[in-house]
Amino acid sequence: DQQVKQNSPSLSVQEGRISILNCDYTNSMFDYFLWYKKYPAEGPTFLISISSIKDKNEDGRFTVFLNKSAKHLSLHIVPSQPGDSAVYFCAASVGFSYAGGTSYGKLTFGQGTILTVHP
Amino acid sequence: KAGVTQTPRYLIKTRGQQVTLSCSPISGHRSVSWYQQTPGQGLQFLFEYFSETQRNKGNFPGRFSGRQFSNSRSEMNVSTLELGDSALYLCASSLGSAWTNTEAFFGQGTRLTVV
Repeated sequence: DQQVKQNSPSLSVQEGRISILNCDYTNSMFDYFLWYKKYPAEGPTFLISISSIKDKNEDGRFTVFLNKSAKHLSLHIVPSQPGDSAVYFCAASVGFSYAGGTSYGKLTFGQGTILTVHP
Repeated sequence: KAGVTQTPRYLIKTRGQQVTLSCSPISGHRSVSWYQQTPGQGLQFLFEYFSETQRNKGNFPGRFSGRQFSNSRSEMNVSTLELGDSALYLCASSLGSAWTNTEAFFGQGTRLTVV
């Protein structure tokens, strides 16, 4: 049962244009979402996150949008650069309550989308 | 500030053996999570440790275990290795503070090959 899905295995974009990466989830308990970028043989690199109390978060060229009613998450990269070419993973977490507070240490990942930005 | 350090980077083991992987989190981070990445299953959560206690666990058999030391360093152990355990094992550290969403930062991983 895949709770986080990235339905597009790959995306090809021209340099300078917008890249839009999409992610759908089924578990309505998810309340924290993240995007990671990954190169082969390396660990994922954190890009941007969003809490379920927001619908948009921006950081430089990266913007994440959250549509809770549709259970849909998207990452916009504007403008796209050749160095952005990598595999992008969306991840989601359910807050785990414990005596000291709330943990978001368990991430559920999508299968990834390969982004290629052409010069 | 040093990042998350995982050792060794590469490992080859024989079926039936056991293996221990190590992870040193970012200084000040108290939460360490472990993930397995395979081509077929993607990135899957193994377990999370915080202050030397396992706080969360994924759906892996008991052959997979871990622990965390007082300096937040963590080890992961896999006993009775199977061919299907061949994967990239990733460690992630985060502050793990109460009541805050904190990002997880990943190490470069340990590539385990079981032959």
